[in-house]
Amino acid sequence: GQNIDQPTEMTATEGAIVQINCTYQTSGFNGLFWYQQHAGEAPTFLSYNVLDGLEEKSRFSSFLSRSKGYSYLLLKELQMKDSASYLCAAWPPLGTNAGKSTFGDGTTLTVKP
Amino acid sequence: DAGITQSPRHKVTETGTPVTLRCHQTENHRYMYWYRQDPGHGLRLIHYSYGVKDTDKGEVSDGYSVSRSKTEDFLLTLESATSSQTSVYFCAISESGSEAFFGQGTRLTVV
Repeated sequence: GQNIDQPTEMTATEGAIVQINCTYQTSGFNGLFWYQQHAGEAPTFLSYNVLDGLEEKSRFSSFLSRSKGYSYLLLKELQMKDSASYLCAAWPPLGTNAGKSTFGDGTTLTVKP
Repeated sequence: DAGITQSPRHKVTETGTPVTLRCHQTENHRYMYWYRQDPGHGLRLIHYSYGVKDTDKGEVSDGYSVSRSKTEDFLLTLESATSSQTSVYFCAISESGSEAFFGQGTRLTVV
């Protein structure tokens, strides 16, 4: 199975850097994904990792360590619009129950001026 | 934006009635999913489809059925709605079974 844990809430200041952690216990997965969800809206894809290491995309980066069962999303130069819920999701290996993704409960990030 | 549309967007129904939610895509993606989202539970997979007429259960499938007779449409049916099925339902599509694009959601209230 795949159990995913994230902090429930985080607060940060505009312009700062914040790291949202995700730990998982899984019997096997293909990729670790991050989604952003603003209140009342649909989740949107942010970043993913298949291999260990850091994936950098403008202000958002994601990191994966399979050996440690750990991922994080790094948000730089925080803006007020980054206030949202951030969902961590594990995707199973392709071809093997490929649809049975597991999402964490999400981390609600509040950015303050 | 991925072409994915859910209907209806809002629905209020009575306990015991059947309800069908529709998800329509214009992307010709292979995989389609139905999730429900409740406070404190994040997104939970109800059912998914990996092709026309090919579906499988997710972690919270009891009380729900699905059908996919065409690539573009994935229907979710609550056979006899209960108050515990009050939730926000999201449909998602994916080409490879990985990165998913979500519809805008359907807010269902069972009274």
